[in-house]
Amino acid sequence: DAKTTQPTSMDCAEGRAANLPCNHSTISGNEYVYWYRQIHSQGPQYIIHGLKNNETNEMASLIITEDRKSSTLILPHATLRDTAVYYCIVRAYNDMRFGAGTRLTVKP
Amino acid sequence: DTGVSQDPRHKITKRGQNVTFRCDPISEHNRLYWYRQTLGQGPEFLTYFQNEAQLEKSRLLSDRFSAERPKGSFSTLEIQRTEQGDSAMYLCASSLVLAGGSSPDTQYFGPGTRLTVL
Repeated sequence: DAKTTQPTSMDCAEGRAANLPCNHSTISGNEYVYWYRQIHSQGPQYIIHGLKNNETNEMASLIITEDRKSSTLILPHATLRDTAVYYCIVRAYNDMRFGAGTRLTVKP
Repeated sequence: DTGVSQDPRHKITKRGQNVTFRCDPISEHNRLYWYRQTLGQGPEFLTYFQNEAQLEKSRLLSDRFSAERPKGSFSTLEIQRTEQGDSAMYLCASSLVLAGGSSPDTQYFGPGTRLTVL
């Protein structure tokens, strides 16, 4: 699986959009981009995934660049409950390889 | 709640003791994964099952670790002769894999079992 690079930490004001970047320059053609988040002391929570098209669900939007070498997770209206570690994972098959993720802090 | 459940949520044991954790997946899910997470790190894959078959176990951390899923439903993870370095969160995830599917499965995680070895 390709390696991902994410900023260690980010802050966001409550009510504003949170844009979390992820670089995956070695991604292969059959690898998907997955995003999970982990709120303190809980199990990871699935957010969204995509292959090459932009995706949106009730939680977030995923924007993947045309060359697929990077992506951005967008939380459109961040709340205090979105404070968590966000993991970007690139995978084709079974297991998932988590990095250290981005610690997002939403501030009032 | 029909999500993945894990039991116990917390376990404190003394070094050298054996421990066993249980995971109950989402009911229709045929795949089950075990991960370990140490403080400040992302989860680390250990092993997984497709129904009752254990398809990958080379990444179990040592021969003290073993997992079973005897009837293709719940699974257990056992650690024998625990060491202080085994202190971590043990996470279970489940997914539904359809025959002929072309995309990876989406895994849904349980709340984890936090193990402390004294």
